[in-house]
Amino acid sequence: EADIYQTPRYLVIGTGKKITLECSQTMGHDKMYWYQQDPGMELHLIHYSYGVNSTEKGDLSSESTVSRIRTEHFPLTLESARPSHTSQYLCASSTGQAVGRLYEQFFGPGTRLTVL
Amino acid sequence: GEDVEQSLFLSVREGDSSVINCTYTDSSSTYLYWYKQEPGAGLQLLTYIFSNMDMKQDQRLTVLLNKKDKHLSLRIADTQTGDSAIYFCAAMDSSYKLIFGSGTRLLVRP
Repeated sequence: EADIYQTPRYLVIGTGKKITLECSQTMGHDKMYWYQQDPGMELHLIHYSYGVNSTEKGDLSSESTVSRIRTEHFPLTLESARPSHTSQYLCASSTGQAVGRLYEQFFGPGTRLTVL
Repeated sequence: GEDVEQSLFLSVREGDSSVINCTYTDSSSTYLYWYKQEPGAGLQLLTYIFSNMDMKQDQRLTVLLNKKDKHLSLRIADTQTGDSAIYFCAAMDSSYKLIFGSGTRLLVRP
């Protein structure tokens, strides 16, 4: 059973506020990811981590930052939210590839962020 | 790097078959995936295929892979209204990142 959680599910906030989107997984996965999903559906990788104290920027430039202090937790922070940050944010986690084992990313339910 | 493309929209009648197509560019991708996203939810893995396979069948789902043309398709037999969702094709690159297509919105008409 894949257990990956995101909170809050929905957030409406004013411009200039600092926000943190939470993501936790109970599967002991080393690899975790943040995607931003356009209203038009396309997914863009904005951050990823291959283990504790390891974070990398993804393919789409983002003003957000992430941290990975514990294996199970991968929060995303926006220091000063703007309307252009309005989007759906999806968190995912995975094991590494191993012979005979499928590499699969498990997704959380997402956080829909609206910045007014 | 890898690039994955899909058609944006497909409309079918309930009971018909649906075929969603995808093309990718990196022939070294080991795994190719189909994910489903229902409204307001995250992505759920539907099925996958290894690059050394041509076809995989899983109940109503059939995945076809043409490595020469770098073409992947997902066929859903006897499509139901509950199949209405967005379907994403994805390929894994060499650094464990999934490269997603833009998604195909499937609408099933009663």
